[in-house]
Amino acid sequence: GENVEQHPSTLSVQEGDSAVIKCTYSDSASNYFPWYKQELGKRPQLIIDIRSNVGEKKDQRIAVTLNKTAKHFSLHITETQPEDSAVYFCAASLTGTASKLTFGTGTRLQVTL
Amino acid sequence: DGGITQSPKYLFRKEGQNVTLSCEQNLNHDAMYWYRQDPGQGLRLIYYSQIVNDFQKGDIAEGYSVSREKKESFPLTVTSAQKNPTAFYLCASNPRGDNEQFFGPGTRLTVL
Repeated sequence: GENVEQHPSTLSVQEGDSAVIKCTYSDSASNYFPWYKQELGKRPQLIIDIRSNVGEKKDQRIAVTLNKTAKHFSLHITETQPEDSAVYFCAASLTGTASKLTFGTGTRLQVTL
Repeated sequence: DGGITQSPKYLFRKEGQNVTLSCEQNLNHDAMYWYRQDPGQGLRLIYYSQIVNDFQKGDIAEGYSVSREKKESFPLTVTSAQKNPTAFYLCASNPRGDNEQFFGPGTRLTVL
């Protein structure tokens, strides 16, 4: 089955700096890669996703890049703000009627003032 | 008010007791999922269902059971066979042909 590794497990940046979180996956058939943000005690919420036919996708301060050859994808957050502090999860799946997401172990991002 | 709901928010049970967690959605989504979240381990898939009266095991199904008698409902039973049931349980759903999963607020189960 699919295996997703995520690094780092914790990340501390100063407000205004950039943050990068990296994930690798094992199943070359996977073609959907979402990123979820989970605030303390809350449900995970999708912040951005990318499909395998695209190499990069941006949404304001957030971007995701995908390298299918190397089987890795990354989340980039620019101009970080205190409200970006949360746990971020990457995931991978094969699209279909039911997309079985395999999640990474999460990155706790702390944005300090 | 549309969405996916889980109840209760907190649940306490004695060891050896079965317990059922509720998950309901009024989004008309076809697929529903149950995940377990433990500190430092991310989310792991327990069971999922693509249509009514059909469901499949996920990666950690042992000690759990589900049913899908209605499109709106996907209850999870944590049985006494589950060796370490204390965790945060998340239900999710998505419509046919769409990969984005929408999560419920979760149930924190503590077995004493």
